[in-house]
Amino acid sequence: EIVLTQSPGTLSLSLGERATLSCRASQSITSSYVAWYQQKLGQAPRLLMYGASRRAIGIPDRFSGSGSGTDFTLTISRLEPEDFAVYYCQQYGSSPPITFGQGTRLEIK
Amino acid sequence: QVQLVQSGAEVKKPGASVKVSCKASGYSFTSYGITWVRQAPGQGLEWMGWISTHNAKTNYGLKFQGRVTMTTDTSTTTAFMELRSLTSDDTAVYFCARDRDVLWFGEFVDYWGQGTLVTVSS
Repeated sequence: EIVLTQSPGTLSLSLGERATLSCRASQSITSSYVAWYQQKLGQAPRLLMYGASRRAIGIPDRFSGSGSGTDFTLTISRLEPEDFAVYYCQQYGSSPPITFGQGTRLEIK
Repeated sequence: QVQLVQSGAEVKKPGASVKVSCKASGYSFTSYGITWVRQAPGQGLEWMGWISTHNAKTNYGLKFQGRVTMTTDTSTTTAFMELRSLTSDDTAVYFCARDRDVLWFGEFVDYWGQGTLVTVSS
């Protein structure tokens, strides 16, 4: 099973700042099969990125993803109020099982 | 528009079973798989498994094998997830989601149901 470790656990930033979220895998992920989701309190998650760097439909271009092998990053270039949420990475290159990271909470400073 | 509408909240006793439904609409049901994910209170996301709506192939998480059954009814475009031998550790919100993979093992998901709270308590 591939274990995904997200860091930091909590990230405190101000509006307009740049956010960098990390997702590290316990072994190399096939073909960069990594997705990122955003979840707000009481809501279902929302797909942001897939294939490590491809934005899902309707996702603003301030969100970007990068990485390969075992290290992946989600970057939010300029934080808007609606971006404060919990973010999860997921790998789907090695299954079963598909696995999620434990999440990074992005909070307003 | 794509919609996944799940059945309502359930309260079950330890040892019982629960069956959650997920009614899909707004897209070709058999062109996408269905993945089930759960989230315990205050915790992260946990992948439970995937089912092909094309050929009923399943891929279950190791933790759930032998205790979960995922099925679909293409005539009603509905997916089902049954979990047996419930314990308090199964108390969680259960989500169904549309999976981009319909043939192999599951990939990422792009639309989610609203979630179904299952509470296991004596």
